[in-house]
Amino acid sequence: AQSVTQPDIHITVSEGASLELRCNYSYGATPYLFWYVQSPGQGLQLLLKYFSGDTLVQGIKGFEAEFKRSQSSFNLRKPSVHWSDAAEYFCAVGAGGSQGNLIFGKGTKLSVKP
Amino acid sequence: DGGITQSPKYLFRKEGQNVTLSCEQNLNHDAMYWYRQDPGQGLRLIYYSQIVNDFQKGDIAEGYSVSREKKESFPLTVTSAQKNPTAFYLCASSNDLLTASNQPQHFGDGTRLSIL
Repeated sequence: AQSVTQPDIHITVSEGASLELRCNYSYGATPYLFWYVQSPGQGLQLLLKYFSGDTLVQGIKGFEAEFKRSQSSFNLRKPSVHWSDAAEYFCAVGAGGSQGNLIFGKGTKLSVKP
Repeated sequence: DGGITQSPKYLFRKEGQNVTLSCEQNLNHDAMYWYRQDPGQGLRLIYYSQIVNDFQKGDIAEGYSVSREKKESFPLTVTSAQKNPTAFYLCASSNDLLTASNQPQHFGDGTRLSIL
């Protein structure tokens, strides 16, 4: 069965520092991968997605993610974090078949120190 | 602007009461989903619908019911059989029926349900 693991529950970084959020997936075929961001009390906003092709994908708000098939990973990165990036981040994989839903990780909460 | 509207934003349920959460989309999407979010649990799928008048149970459907009478609407009823309904409920939709797995989902802003 498909699954997504986000090993870090909570990460704190200083403003201006670089960021990497980890995501590992379990999926038999080529996965469809997504990163979403959620501000408190809000819905989820899509940051970026990977379907095929270039393994480094660019998203909104200066985020990027790299798909590494050999490591079953899809880590999210940002070179310089802003205070407004504080939120919860979710990695997801397409469930495949006719079901069509996404399988989500449990999320990583990002705090940003001034 | 196109999007997904969930209402109400906050909802309170008394013991033994059924409550219905509304989800409306004007994106002309075929597929719609309901997720439950608990702290530290991520999102868990309750029900999904890929076409009008058809819906399927997700991973945690017990104590919930849905209907899909119109393409743009997918209401969720939390029944009295759901013993722990306090959570944040998110509705989502995606575009393509046949390739829904590779379509990003668009989310509403959620409904927070609490028990009185």
